[in-house]
Amino acid sequence: DGGITQSPKYLFRKEGQNVTLSCEQNLNHDAMYWYRQDPGQGLRLIYYSQIVNDFQKGDIAEGYSVSREKKESFPLTVTSAQKNPTAFYLCASSIQGGVNEQFFGPGTRLTVL
Amino acid sequence: AQSVTQLDSQVPVFEEAPVELRCNYSSSVSVYLFWYVQYPNQGLQLLLKYLSGSTLVKGINGFEAEFNKSQTSFHLRKPSVHISDTAEYFCAVSTSSNTGKLIFGQGTTLQVKP
Repeated sequence: DGGITQSPKYLFRKEGQNVTLSCEQNLNHDAMYWYRQDPGQGLRLIYYSQIVNDFQKGDIAEGYSVSREKKESFPLTVTSAQKNPTAFYLCASSIQGGVNEQFFGPGTRLTVL
Repeated sequence: AQSVTQLDSQVPVFEEAPVELRCNYSSSVSVYLFWYVQYPNQGLQLLLKYLSGSTLVKGINGFEAEFNKSQTSFHLRKPSVHISDTAEYFCAVSTSSNTGKLIFGQGTTLQVKP
């Protein structure tokens, strides 16, 4: 089955530690996205990538970093510089960067203690 | 800059009743509009989208939405809801055909009661 996988589903970290969230897709999509979801705020774009080895900042990139070394993978690192990292993180992909449906993974809930 | 406003944070409704979830957007250029649904602790699933053409768009699970350019709205409707429609619904807009970036509204929680 084609789709997007995110792991782990739940993640706990101590304050001050960096943590990397995994996102893998086997849909052969060019574009990938990371969103952060907080209650009552909808989804906010952190980073996006339209092609391998290239990515752009979204609206709330501070305290996060990404890489796109392979077409199917787009990991997100939440660094210690992110002031309020506890949230639900969603990864998505689409055929191209144009106006196409974005397919979403099941999400990772990060809790920083 | 474009933005999306979902006017109701929560909409309670009884089973088999009709429902409308409201969405307004602001943009000075052509827009592309989407409605997504999110069940608890899951990712988002596309319900329907408006790219061009007919302003009445039909989606999955019996939902439909109407694009109204003069009122800058894209309200979601269903004539008869089921318990299984209980979820959070997000309206989203894109104004760029190059990057595919989406701007999401704050979400509306639809609570269907028996």
